[in-house]
Amino acid sequence: EAGVAQSPRYKIIEKRQSVAFWCNPISGHATLYWYQQILGQGPKLLIQFQNNGVVDDSQLPKDRFSAERLKGVDSTLKIQPAKLEDSAVYLCASSLESTRIKYFGPGTRLLVL
Amino acid sequence: QKEVEQNSGPLSVPEGAIASLNCTYSDRGSQSFFWYRQYSGKSPELIMSIYSNGDKEDGRFTAQLNKASQYVSLLIRDSQPSDSATYLCAPRKKLTFGKGTLLTVNP
Repeated sequence: EAGVAQSPRYKIIEKRQSVAFWCNPISGHATLYWYQQILGQGPKLLIQFQNNGVVDDSQLPKDRFSAERLKGVDSTLKIQPAKLEDSAVYLCASSLESTRIKYFGPGTRLLVL
Repeated sequence: QKEVEQNSGPLSVPEGAIASLNCTYSDRGSQSFFWYRQYSGKSPELIMSIYSNGDKEDGRFTAQLNKASQYVSLLIRDSQPSDSATYLCAPRKKLTFGKGTLLTVNP
């Protein structure tokens, strides 16, 4: 069974630029999560989708971050414009449903200069 | 109050010793928990889940849940250098993590 796929794996941009990350969850997984992990900290939940609907986006900085999960499968997370403090690893995870085991993708490492 | 709190460490133990990792939580409604392990530069991976009060053992790992005191712990027996990683706990219903505890096992 293929795991959670993410791309790109690394991205370097300058502040005020925009960037987008892509996630393909494990086949059949209804729940998809985006996390931000700053160096030395635990992953912080940004947004949770159930199929193509948003369950929780309370910690998503909506003035600059947006996410969508069209058709309830793949998801994209966008930052526009990026700030220096957005430098982090962005992790995507999926699960069959919200109370089941979450599987993480390899992450996208973002550096904002 | 944060939903999940962990001592960020680092916790250093000699090879072969028992490593004890602790996590406290604020939501009394949390009934079950996951423990994830995260190697440096890698993504978290699930190592244990615990769904009820008491202990659950899996090989060298034992998870303990005490709902009355609102804490969950992970014991690693016969610690190995390969156990050196950050350990994260999270409630099963809502995967919100604490900072994690960095464990170093010294040969």
